[in-house]
Amino acid sequence: EAGVTQSPTHLIKTRGQQVTLRCSPISGHTSVYWYQQALGLGLQFLLWYDEGEERNRGNFPPRFSGRQFPNYSSELNVNALELEDSALYLCASSSGRDTQYFGPGTRLTVL
Amino acid sequence: GENVEQHPSTLSVQEGDSAVIKCTYSDSASNYFPWYKQELGKGPQLIIDIRSNVGEKKDQRIAVTLNKTAKHFSLHITETQPEDSAVYFCAASRGANNLFFGTGTRLTVIP
Repeated sequence: EAGVTQSPTHLIKTRGQQVTLRCSPISGHTSVYWYQQALGLGLQFLLWYDEGEERNRGNFPPRFSGRQFPNYSSELNVNALELEDSALYLCASSSGRDTQYFGPGTRLTVL
Repeated sequence: GENVEQHPSTLSVQEGDSAVIKCTYSDSASNYFPWYKQELGKGPQLIIDIRSNVGEKKDQRIAVTLNKTAKHFSLHITETQPEDSAVYFCAASRGANNLFFGTGTRLTVIP
């Protein structure tokens, strides 16, 4: 069974630009979660999508947004990038029974 | 919201010794407590989880204990091996919801 996949692996952007990160969940999973892991820090919850709807949102500004598609894949969009947005962005999926499985992440560097 | 504290932040043990990592949580409604292992450059990997209706769970060299009254849970790794070296994160959640993570413990197993 394929795990959670994320693309791209690495990304370099400059301040003020916009970025889109992509996530494909494990087959059969309907929930997708996004987390931000800044260097040396723990994981901070960003967004949770289930069945195409946003179910919960972490303490992040509105320039962080996303969506979930009918095939349950998801995008995370970040507008007006700031230096402190540099981080590893992790996607996880679950079938609604607690256990979340993580992808390898997208490393975003903002210069 | 939930607040998860994790100790210690770093832990060094000799190969073959045991390692213990402790976490406390604040939300008495939290009922799901997973532990993740993150190796350098990779996403977190679930190693064991426990639900609030169970006090202890074991999987080979790994065990987790939960004290709901005191709101703390611990990870125990016995007979540590160099490949156990990684960053370990505890987390808590209310069922199928976003996870709240501890700040991580960097475990180093010295051969």
